Amino acid sequence: GNSVTQMEGPVTLSEEAFLTINCTYTATGYPSLFWYVQYPGEGLQLLLKATKADDKGSNKGFEATYRKETTSFHLEKGSVQVSDSAVYFCALGGSSNTGKLIFGQGTTLQVKP
Amino acid sequence: DGGITQSPKYLFRKEGQNVTLSCEQNLNHDAMYWYRQDPGQGLRLIYYSQIVNDFQKGDIAEGYSVSREKKESFPLTVTSAQKNPTAFYLCASSIQGGVTNTEAFFGQGTRLTVV
Repeated sequence: GNSVTQMEGPVTLSEEAFLTINCTYTATGYPSLFWYVQYPGEGLQLLLKATKADDKGSNKGFEATYRKETTSFHLEKGSVQVSDSAVYFCALGGSSNTGKLIFGQGTTLQVKP
Repeated sequence: DGGITQSPKYLFRKEGQNVTLSCEQNLNHDAMYWYRQDPGQGLRLIYYSQIVNDFQKGDIAEGYSVSREKKESFPLTVTSAQKNPTAFYLCASSIQGGVTNTEAFFGQGTRLTVV
């Protein structure tokens, strides 16, 4: 079945460092891919999405490209801030008859000043 | 403002009690979902509903029940049959079920603790 695998955390970076969080997926068909962010004690917020191969989603300095050949959707940011500290979830659009999302296990990012 | 409202934010339950978590949305979305979040395990789907008066079990439905009598509301009951209910519960909605490119919108969550 469809699944998502994220790199394990926590990831600890200094402010202004480059961020990469790896995400790979297994899927049939051509589902959309999403990155969500969760700040402490809160729900999830959509960060960015891509709906087809080679699409690049971007928002707030974060980017991710839908790579069908490597089945990946890695999240990147050129210069992280302390305020980016959160848990990041990669998600896969679900099967065509449910629309439910399939989530990775989440990666905790901690940015130190 | 449109959005999803979960209540209460914190909930304490005694062993053997049933409790109901509220989820209301004013986004006019057809589909609604309940997820459970435990540390290090990501989100697991409990139940989902694509349309009023219809719902389906997710991956971990045992010990939970739901109803969908109104489009705006999708309450979750955690029954005494749920052996390990302490967790963070997230409700979500999407504009339409059965569509793979649509994102879900989440509420702020309810943290349930068994005392």
